[in-house]
Amino acid sequence: DQQVKQNSPSLSVQEGRISILNCDYTNSMFDYFLWYKKYPAEGPTFLISISSIKDKNEDGRFTVFLNKSAKHLSLHIVPSQPGDSAVYFCAASALQKMGNNRKLIWGLGTSLAVNP
Amino acid sequence: EADIYQTPRYLVIGTGKKITLECSQTMGHDKMYWYQQDPGMELHLIHYSYGVNSTEKGDLSSESTVSRIRTEHFPLTLESARPSHTSQYLCASSIPGTSGNEQFFGPGTRLTVL
Repeated sequence: DQQVKQNSPSLSVQEGRISILNCDYTNSMFDYFLWYKKYPAEGPTFLISISSIKDKNEDGRFTVFLNKSAKHLSLHIVPSQPGDSAVYFCAASALQKMGNNRKLIWGLGTSLAVNP
Repeated sequence: EADIYQTPRYLVIGTGKKITLECSQTMGHDKMYWYQQDPGMELHLIHYSYGVNSTEKGDLSSESTVSRIRTEHFPLTLESARPSHTSQYLCASSIPGTSGNEQFFGPGTRLTVL
C-alpha cells in the first residue's frame, strides 16, 4: 500500500501561471518531506524540503505547504516556466526503529507540462 | 552539492551476462543508495550502505548484489542478467548529518536485457 500518494499522474499549466502539485501521506511518523524534479534519462534533483515543525517553506519560485492534520503537502511553482516541465516526486522520511538512520519513501510522481 | 557519477549511462546486453553498474561520489558521503525505477512508477530502494563494509538490502527484493570497499565507490552487480532486470538504476548519496535524508542522485543507468 502506497504510504506516499501523488494522485495526479499529470498536470498541464500555461507559462506564467501557478503550478500546484499535491501529495498525501498515510504514515504519521513521517517528519520530513522532500520534493524532487526528474527529467527523462536523468536522476532526480532535489528541489525543496520541509520539516514537520513548519507549515511552509519557500525558495524562489518554489513553495511547499504542509498540512499535518490532513497529512497533505503541496508544491507551488510561481510563475511556471517551460523549463519546469518534468516529473515531480514527493518523498517522505521518518527515523527508523533501529539506529539513527532514515529512508525515503517515494510517491509515483506527477508529470508537469508547462506550455508556452 | 554532490557529484555522483554512474557508468554506463545506457547498457543493452543479452540474457545470462554478468554486469556491473558503477557508481562513484566525490564528496565523501557515508550513505549511499541504489534505486530501481520503471516508467510511471516510484523509486524502489534495492540496496543501501551506511559506510565502508556496510551493505543492506532495501525494500524491493533484488537479485543484484553490492559492495562498499571504499567510501566513494558503490558498484552494483548482476551475476546473470534477465529481461526482468530491464529498468533504470539510480545511485544516490546523502550528506552526513542532514535531517530528513536529502539525497543526491547520479544520472542513472538505463539497462535493457534482451
